[in-house]
Amino acid sequence: GQQLNQSPQSMFIQEGEDVSMNCTSSSIFNTWLWYKQDPGEGPVLLIALYKAGELTSNGRLTAQFGITRKDSFLNISASIPSDVGIYFCAGQLGDYKLSFGAGTTVTVRA
Amino acid sequence: DTGVSQDPRHKITKRGQNVTFRCDPISEHNRLYWYRQTLGQGPEFLTYFQNEAQLEKSRLLSDRFSAERPKGSFSTLEIQRTEQGDSAMYLCASSLVGGNWQFFGPGTRLTVL
Repeated sequence: GQQLNQSPQSMFIQEGEDVSMNCTSSSIFNTWLWYKQDPGEGPVLLIALYKAGELTSNGRLTAQFGITRKDSFLNISASIPSDVGIYFCAGQLGDYKLSFGAGTTVTVRA
Repeated sequence: DTGVSQDPRHKITKRGQNVTFRCDPISEHNRLYWYRQTLGQGPEFLTYFQNEAQLEKSRLLSDRFSAERPKGSFSTLEIQRTEQGDSAMYLCASSLVGGNWQFFGPGTRLTVL
C-alpha cells in the first residue's frame, strides 16, 4: 500500500491564487519527486529534490525537501487554468523504486 | 516522438482471457519499470529491468503476471487468466542507471469485464 500521505486530497483554485500541498511519510527518503498527471495520461515529472532542506524552483513551481527527510512541500504561484490536474509526490530510498502518494486533485473554482 | 510509448492505450477483455502490453522506453535508457495505478491512487511499483535482467518484482506481481525485456529495449507485460481486480492503468517508465528521473509513458488502461 501507499506509504506517503498527501494533503489536501483535493483543492479548488481561482486563477492567480497561490497553491500549496504537502506530502508526509513514516519512512525517510533520499530523493523526493513531484509529478503532475492529466486525465488518461501518464505522470509528468515536475521537480526533483536530492538533499534534506533543499529548496528548488521550476518556473512558478517551488518544492522543498523536508529536513527530517520524511516530508516535502510543493507550491504553485499565480495559478493558471492549465495547472488543474492531479499532483503526486514520490519518494525514493534506493535508486529505482518510487513510492507514490494518493495525489492532490486541483480543480478550477467555478 | 522520443518519449516512452505504450501500446495499446486501452484494452477491454473478458475475465479469464490473457492480455499483453508493450512498452518502448526512451532509447538510451537502460532501466525500465512497470507500475500499476488504480482509480484514486498513485502508481504502485510492480517490477523493473536493468537492460534485459529483471532485478526486482513486487509482491503485487502474482504468478499470473509475467514481464520480459528480451533484448534490453522494449518490454512486454502479460497477464494470464485476467480477473476483474486486474482492471487498472498499467504504466511504464524508463530511466538511466542511477538516475532518479523516471519518465512515464501514457499508460495502458485495462478493463476486465
